[in-house]
Amino acid sequence: DQQVKQNSPSLSVQEGRISILNCDYTNSMFDYFLWYKKYPAEGPTFLISISSIKDKNEDGRFTVFLNKSAKHLSLHIVPSQPGDSAVYFCKGANSKLTFGKGITLSVRP
Amino acid sequence: DSGVTQTPKHLITATGQRVTLRCSPRSGDLSVYWYQQSLDQGLQFLIQYYNGEERAKGNILERFSAQQFPDLHSELNLSSLELGDSALYFCASSVGGRNYEQYFGPGTRLTVT
Repeated sequence: DQQVKQNSPSLSVQEGRISILNCDYTNSMFDYFLWYKKYPAEGPTFLISISSIKDKNEDGRFTVFLNKSAKHLSLHIVPSQPGDSAVYFCKGANSKLTFGKGITLSVRP
Repeated sequence: DSGVTQTPKHLITATGQRVTLRCSPRSGDLSVYWYQQSLDQGLQFLIQYYNGEERAKGNILERFSAQQFPDLHSELNLSSLELGDSALYFCASSVGGRNYEQYFGPGTRLTVT
């Protein structure tokens, strides 16, 4: 998705620690952002979303932060678990529909 | 379970053949999307239908076509199959025509020999 970009292709963290996945966007017209999680050979699973009128949305271990002035969004996973090891995608609502490469998160036991 | 169903789960066919993949969206969802995931590619968007009409088109080959029926299920037709068409094909659905939360089916694994 060329309008919402993942900052780094991969991340490795220790089990129990915080995982922070970052994305930047260029289009200020997005009114909604979404995070998906994907395991190999499975379709993506919708994880969490945030409206552009908010700066934070929390759902259990997952929190998404939106910094509109910096056009930056991040996903925090606390505490990280080995089952969180997957590929994560950030998307703007109504953006290009291709998912791209995502961020590969590895959580070490 | 996302509520999106896809059949068949696996499909093995020969080059030059034609196959049809089927998708039933979640109850109440009007949009259906098709994606292709090859070994060395990310998830490539093929096409979207909303309430029976084509809404968006991605990297869909001319040999491929899709449609959405009045009951909102969708079919993806792949013809003149080539070895490179071997991939996982995912269907997703969403409530509206805009790209908000999409719910993905389990996929159909197509192997072309």
